[in-house]
Amino acid sequence: GNSVTQMEGPVTLSEEAFLTINCTYTATGYPSLFWYVQYPGEGLQLLLKATKADDKGSNKGFEATYRKETTSFHLEKGSVQVSDSAVYFCALTSGGGNNRKLIWGLGTSLAVNP
Amino acid sequence: EAGVVQSPRYKIIEKKQPVAFWCNPISGHNTLYWYRQNLGQGPELLIRYENEEAVDDSQLPKDRFSAERLKGVDSTLKIQPAELGDSAVYLCASSLSVYEQFFGPGTRLTVL
Repeated sequence: GNSVTQMEGPVTLSEEAFLTINCTYTATGYPSLFWYVQYPGEGLQLLLKATKADDKGSNKGFEATYRKETTSFHLEKGSVQVSDSAVYFCALTSGGGNNRKLIWGLGTSLAVNP
Repeated sequence: EAGVVQSPRYKIIEKKQPVAFWCNPISGHNTLYWYRQNLGQGPELLIRYENEEAVDDSQLPKDRFSAERLKGVDSTLKIQPAELGDSAVYLCASSLSVYEQFFGPGTRLTVL
């Protein structure tokens, strides 16, 4: 079945550092790929998505490119801020019809220090 | 626009007791999901509703868990009786499509 593998955390960076959180997937067909973020005390929210190969999703300075050849969807940001401290989840769609759902990674915790 | 509302935010109960969680989705969202999230893990889908119909409950432990979505709006998830292993955060989400799900803040359940 479809699955997602994320790099383990926690990731600790200083403010303005470059961020990469790796995400690779295994899937049949052509899934859509997502990054969700969970800020402390808040619900999960969609950060960005890509629905087909070579698409680049971007939001709030974060980017991720759907790489079919490497089955990856790595999250990047050029200069992180303290306010980016959160848990980041990679996810992909799986199944169709009544069986369609999101398959989630385990999450990567990011802490940004001033 | 109001987001997904869940209550309570926290619940502490003793094992073998019943517990219920309530969710009010975003207005107009026909699809509603209940997830369970254990510490350090991603969300695990328990049940998905399309309007009033539970279209995917394959991961719902039906011996002790039940859910309902009357009138296709609010939903309640119940556990009876609760076990120690049920301690987790229970998340409700709603959506217009699977591509963007909107989550509530969750209910943190502790079973003693």
